[in-house]
Amino acid sequence: NAGVTQTPKFQVLKTGQSMTLQCAQDMNHEYMSWYRQDPGMGLRLIHYSVGAGITDQGEVPNGYNVSRSTTEDFPLRLLSAAPSQTSVYFCASSGWTGRNTEAFFGQGTRLTVV
Amino acid sequence: AQSVTQPDIHITVSEGASLELRCNYSYGATPYLFWYVQSPGQGLQLLLKYFSGDTLVQGIKGFEAEFKRSQSSFNLRKPSVHWSDAAEYFCAAPNPYGGSQGNLIFGKGTKLSVKP
Repeated sequence: NAGVTQTPKFQVLKTGQSMTLQCAQDMNHEYMSWYRQDPGMGLRLIHYSVGAGITDQGEVPNGYNVSRSTTEDFPLRLLSAAPSQTSVYFCASSGWTGRNTEAFFGQGTRLTVV
Repeated sequence: AQSVTQPDIHITVSEGASLELRCNYSYGATPYLFWYVQSPGQGLQLLLKYFSGDTLVQGIKGFEAEFKRSQSSFNLRKPSVHWSDAAEYFCAAPNPYGGSQGNLIFGKGTKLSVKP
């Protein structure tokens, strides 16, 4: 059982370049999220999705775009990379709300923008 | 606004000593609460979770946490720390932006170092 798979693990971009971080889960979870992790800041929510075709913004959405065409995939797009987007990005998925909710995390993508 | 606070940025304990990591929350109702652990270069792994009922929650790797409504706390404990417990620990609760318990708001983390 692969769980949540993120690719790539590492990426270096030049300012202004665009790229897509991939996230796939094989647990048939409705909810998927993207977080960024910065030193001393914990994890902050970028975008999330409550099901295929439904996405919404989190706390720090500027400069990022998402779509959810299937239950399994939730890619995160950087439209024009900036040095402030240097961070570690985590994708997470979880099942229905309530007592059994547990977020499963991918291994992360370490992004450097130069 | 809802928030999760971890007052300690970095804690160092000796191997075999007991451990307590602090977490305070600010929520109107009784929240769902979680503790996650992140080993260096890895993703986050759930240690334990609290939804309701028994206020002492047992988790994996010998960890436990106690929910105290009067103190708005959900502290993580372990009676005897092992060198492999060195990691960063995050307390979390449902994110008001997320609209569901599937999305979380995190404390800023406590880094645990273990002395031999």
